[in-house]
Amino acid sequence: DGGITQSPKYLFRKEGQNVTLSCEQNLNHDAMYWYRQDPGQGLRLIYYSQIVNDFQKGDIAEGYSVSREKKESFPLTVTSAQKNPTAFYLCASKGGASLLYEQYFGPGTRLTVT
Amino acid sequence: QQQVKQSPQSLIVQKGGISIINCAYENTAFDYFPWYQQFPGKGPALLIAIRPDVSEKKEGRFTISFNKSAKQFSLHIMDSQPGDSATYFCAASKSSTLGRLYFGRGTQLTVWP
Repeated sequence: DGGITQSPKYLFRKEGQNVTLSCEQNLNHDAMYWYRQDPGQGLRLIYYSQIVNDFQKGDIAEGYSVSREKKESFPLTVTSAQKNPTAFYLCASKGGASLLYEQYFGPGTRLTVT
Repeated sequence: QQQVKQSPQSLIVQKGGISIINCAYENTAFDYFPWYQQFPGKGPALLIAIRPDVSEKKEGRFTISFNKSAKQFSLHIMDSQPGDSATYFCAASKSSTLGRLYFGRGTQLTVWP
């Protein structure tokens, strides 16, 4: 089964703790993306990566960090510096940078920080 | 700054009716306009997409209308069904930004039986 896996589906953390969200894809896609979704806000880009060991900040990168050590994995760390971390986080991947490729989304992780 | 503006925020349509969602953009460098459908608790999935060299694209009951001069595009869902009840996002992308998408804020569509 090819696709994007995000785990866990629900995640709970205490304020002040860092938390890492997992994203794995077996589609052999070069590009991977992290979005944050809040009610009425649409999808906002946090970070994206076109190739291994390279990534760029999106529109709301503050308080987040990523790594891309393997092609199939793009974990997102929500640090204690993120002021309002409770949200639905979506990972996506794409075959390449060209617009000919469709962007596929994972099932998401809902993070709740109290 | 919202690069793509979407309206309405919510839409209620009777079964069999036409659902229309509108989007507008400012950046004329955008050259790819997809629509995504998202069901509760799931990730979005590509529904239909259009490039600015055509004014309309139809796939089954879903049609995108594109007005390049007005910098607007819209999604029409014909014969709307309860199973179409979902959140719909328009988006835009440009070749120079390596495929990143700029999303509208979404429209929550409810189709009553």
